[in-house]
Amino acid sequence: GIQVEQSPPDLILQEGANSTLRCNFSDSVNNLQWFHQNPWGQLINLFYIPSGTKQNGRLSATTVATERYSLLYISSSQTTDSGVYFCAVDYRGSTLGRLYFGRGTQLTVWP
Amino acid sequence: DVKVTQSSRYLVKRTGEKVFLECVQDMDHENMFWYRQDPGLGLRLIYFSYDVKMKEKGDIPEGYSVSREKKERFSLILESASTNQTSMYLCASSRDVAQHFGDGTRLSIL
Repeated sequence: GIQVEQSPPDLILQEGANSTLRCNFSDSVNNLQWFHQNPWGQLINLFYIPSGTKQNGRLSATTVATERYSLLYISSSQTTDSGVYFCAVDYRGSTLGRLYFGRGTQLTVWP
Repeated sequence: DVKVTQSSRYLVKRTGEKVFLECVQDMDHENMFWYRQDPGLGLRLIYFSYDVKMKEKGDIPEGYSVSREKKERFSLILESASTNQTSMYLCASSRDVAQHFGDGTRLSIL
């Protein structure tokens, strides 16, 4: 199967700082999603981004499919950004619609 | 908005019990998924389904079964619960690829 690697595994920031999370994948993908899991365990869709760049408020994401990576940018971080960020891909060698997850980046934002 | 509802947020059961976890979605999605999440391991796929009465094994199906009798409902069954099945269980649904998740069930097997 495909390998999905996220970095860094842990990130600690002061409120107001910017950060970049990375997702590398080992095969061609049909689609890619970024999720945020809050401290209560709820998994929230952030972006559905098989290629290109999208922005939603303080968050933006870029996927370069030809180079097999995606980046999630968080600007002016807030304590509510804390949680685990997951990247997940649907790759071309797999059953359509099935996602493969990375192990996540644990983000802690201090006031 | 898509609504995926899992029947319990927290559940405590005993070793050897048969355990049912229920998931219902309200968007007429064809695809439904069950994952478990353990610290440091991310989400691992247990079973998924593309249509009523259809099921496919994921990466870790051992000790689990599923049922999809209606399009909106996907049940995960632990045939004989064991302590190593203590985990967070997450259900998801999708029409194409973008998956939408329920709030999860924290299951403890004593």
